[in-house]
Order: sequence, then C-alpha cells, then structure tokens
Amino acid sequence: DAKTTQPPSMDCAEGRAANLPCNHSTISGNEYVYWYRQIHSQGPQYIIHGLKNNETNEMASLIITEDRKSSTLILPHATLRDTAVYYCIVPRRFKGGSQGNLIFGKGTKLSVKP
Amino acid sequence: EAGVAQSPRYKIIEKRQSVAFWCNPISGHATLYWYQQILGQGPKLLIQFQNNGVVDDSQLPKDRFSAERLKGVDSTLKIQPAKLEDSAVYLCASSGADRGLSYEQYFGPGTRLTVT
Repeated sequence: DAKTTQPPSMDCAEGRAANLPCNHSTISGNEYVYWYRQIHSQGPQYIIHGLKNNETNEMASLIITEDRKSSTLILPHATLRDTAVYYCIVPRRFKGGSQGNLIFGKGTKLSVKP
Repeated sequence: EAGVAQSPRYKIIEKRQSVAFWCNPISGHATLYWYQQILGQGPKLLIQFQNNGVVDDSQLPKDRFSAERLKGVDSTLKIQPAKLEDSAVYLCASSGADRGLSYEQYFGPGTRLTVT
C-alpha cells in the first residue's frame, strides 16, 4: 500500500493560492490519490481525487506529477473558512481489488491568515 | 439530500461503563464505516460494512468494541467496558460506490466521547 508524506503545517494569506504538497513515491500505476479536509469539530470532507491527469472542481485543483510520485492540492483563492487539516490519501485496496478503504495520516494543518 | 446522522453528539461516562453510538447513513449507501479520532490524530478506521456484512474489522478492539448493521441501513457501535483511552470522537461515514470502486465517503458530525 502506498504511503503519503505531508508537511505538518502551512500558513497562507487570505486571497492567495494555497499549495499543499504530498509525496507518494511508492504509488502504483492504478492507484488514485484522494484529498480530504477536516474543519475543526467537523467530520472530514471529500475534496477531489485523481489518477494521472490534473483535475479541477469547484473546490480545488489537483496537480499530479508525470511520474505520479507527488501531487499538489491547490486552493486558488484561500479564505478563512479554508483553515483546516488537509489529508492526502492513497486508498488501500483489498486483495482481489474489488474493495478497499482509506487510511488517514496526520495531514497538513493549513492556517489561512487575514 | 440528508447527510449522515449520528447520535448522541456528546457523551460522558465513567470508566468500566458501557456506551452505544448510532449512525444513519445517506439513503442508498451500501458501505458504512466507523472511525475513531483521538485528539491531534487522523481518523482511524475501526470497522467497514458492505450492506450488513463486515468487510474489514482488523483494527476493532474486539474485546470491548462491537458493531452491527442488522438490516443494512442503520448501525450501532458499542463499547463495553470503556477505558480512559477510548476518549475520542467517533465518526460514521458512508459511501455509495455506485460508479464502481469509489472512496468518496460522506462523514457525519461525530460523537465526542469523554471517559472519566
């Protein structure tokens, strides 16, 4: 199972882009990268996922390097409400591949400052 | 669409007492998860159900924790007897996976348990 490495904390100025890095050097060719965030006192919230192409939705963009060993989550215009812990996860798949689940690490605590 | 419901939101018990948490997933979601989140750590998966069958309970402390999902909808997680180290937030999540294998999980607000 691929493991991920994230910085424990980051700061970002309000209105600026927040770029959150994640290393997943042992990822295999068919494993996705998922991003979740957890705002204080709430449950985690799904943000985005990708395989090898860059992805964008209403919340964020996901940039995956060509070798797929790392990725960056981009919040284009961070607001105070984006202050949260961000988790980068490569899901664990069971043998046989039909199911799996998420293993959360400690994530990156993003603080957006006015 | 209603989200994942959990109750109670808060619970305080003494060690060696028992406690139960309830979860109602999003309608139609076949997969249900229970997580334990200790302060300062990421959520730790305790048990995963597919409909009413257990898919993964490898990290469930089975000597004191139990969970069931009898009709493939609601689920309860029980701790008996509780220890001080069980103080945590217990999160329930569900996923529909209606488009093949999906890890888009929807989380409830959690139950904060304090064991004194």
